[in-house]
Formats: sequence, C-alpha cells, structure tokens
Amino acid sequence: GAGVSQSPRYKVAKRGQDVALRCDPISGHVSLFWYQQALGQGPEFLTYFQNEAQLDKSGLPSDRFFAERPEGSVSTLKIQRTQQEDSAVYLCASSLETSMNFGPGTRLTVT
Amino acid sequence: DQQVKQNSPSLSVQEGRISILNCDYTNSMFDYFLWYKKYPAEGPTFLISISSIKDKNEDGRFTVFLNKSAKHLSLHIVPSQPGDSAVYFCAASDDYKLSFGAGTTVTVRA
Repeated sequence: GAGVSQSPRYKVAKRGQDVALRCDPISGHVSLFWYQQALGQGPEFLTYFQNEAQLDKSGLPSDRFFAERPEGSVSTLKIQRTQQEDSAVYLCASSLETSMNFGPGTRLTVT
Repeated sequence: DQQVKQNSPSLSVQEGRISILNCDYTNSMFDYFLWYKKYPAEGPTFLISISSIKDKNEDGRFTVFLNKSAKHLSLHIVPSQPGDSAVYFCAASDDYKLSFGAGTTVTVRA
C-alpha cells in the first residue's frame, strides 16, 4: 500500500515568501505529526493532529508557522514570511497506534 | 535542551562484524524507545523498539538494550551488512511525541 507522501519534495523560497507544504498520510491513520529536521540534527516535533483536531502545536517555532488538517486526512504546513533559519527538511508522519510512518520530507531552502 | 543524545556522529565497521550504536537520555518520563534508520532523500523508517519495562528486545540481526538506571540504550547489529549503511536515529517517546537524537552515520566497509 501507499506510504506517507509529501509535496513538493524540494522548495526554494526567497526570504519573505510564504510557502505551503502538503502531507498525504496513510489512509485511515488518525494521528498526524509534523517534524522539522535541520542539517545534521534529528527531527524536532512541531505539531500533532488527531483527526482534524490539532492537539499540540507547542513545537511550532513562531506564529509564522501554521498547520491544518481540515478533513482529518491531508495536512498542510504553512510558513509565512520565510526566514533563512526556516531552511530544513520538514517531515510528516502518520500513525495508527505506536509505530510512526514518516514521509520522505520536503527540503525547504530559503535564500 | 537535548533530551536524547547520540554522542557518536559516525561509525565505520567492517562487513560481518558487530555495529554498536549508543544513545543517552535525560527524561525519566520516557516510556518507549525506538530506533529509526534513514537513507538519503528518504524519511526515517522504523527499525526496532523497546518498552521501558523491558531491558532487551531482539529482531533478527537487530537487538536493542535498555539500561534504565543509566538512562542509556544501545542498538546492536550483527552481522553488519553493506545495506546497513545509513543514518540511525534513537528516539524516545513520552505519550505521543518523539524526541530524537542527532543521529549516527554508519558505514559498513566491504
């Protein structure tokens, strides 16, 4: 079956631009997570959804970051007025119980 | 502050020998520990896990050991194979959230 997919795979944005990153989780997976992975680091938690409810957004670095999952399936992570420090790989993961399935990530480069 | 630490950024091992990856954590509330493997341009894939009530879990060539008193876990891969060359992340769970280490790059030499 299909795994978690993310698009675009690569995004180059000029500083100040807004970007939207999409995640298609595994069908039927209730839980969805966004993580940010900076170069040479491990993934860091951004936010967590259970169905359409955003239960935890404590990891979002600033109010420029916004995530939604309006129908409990596809999720979008939006970053407004991108800054250079936003350059990272953004990973989406979905899970049914304990094991988390990660997508391939979107590599965002802010120039 | 990093709650999960992998102090060895890289490890080189000969094919057929044992690979030992180490991980330390600080949060005693972590109740589940996982290892993920990552190839370039792919997302992390789950490898093996262990509950905090156990001290060992084995799956084929992979064994994870947990020492709760030392807040330390390790992953043993034996025998190491060329396909094992990847970045390995240690992760710890407190409820639904995972905290990751910075990763260890394993290179298996022929």
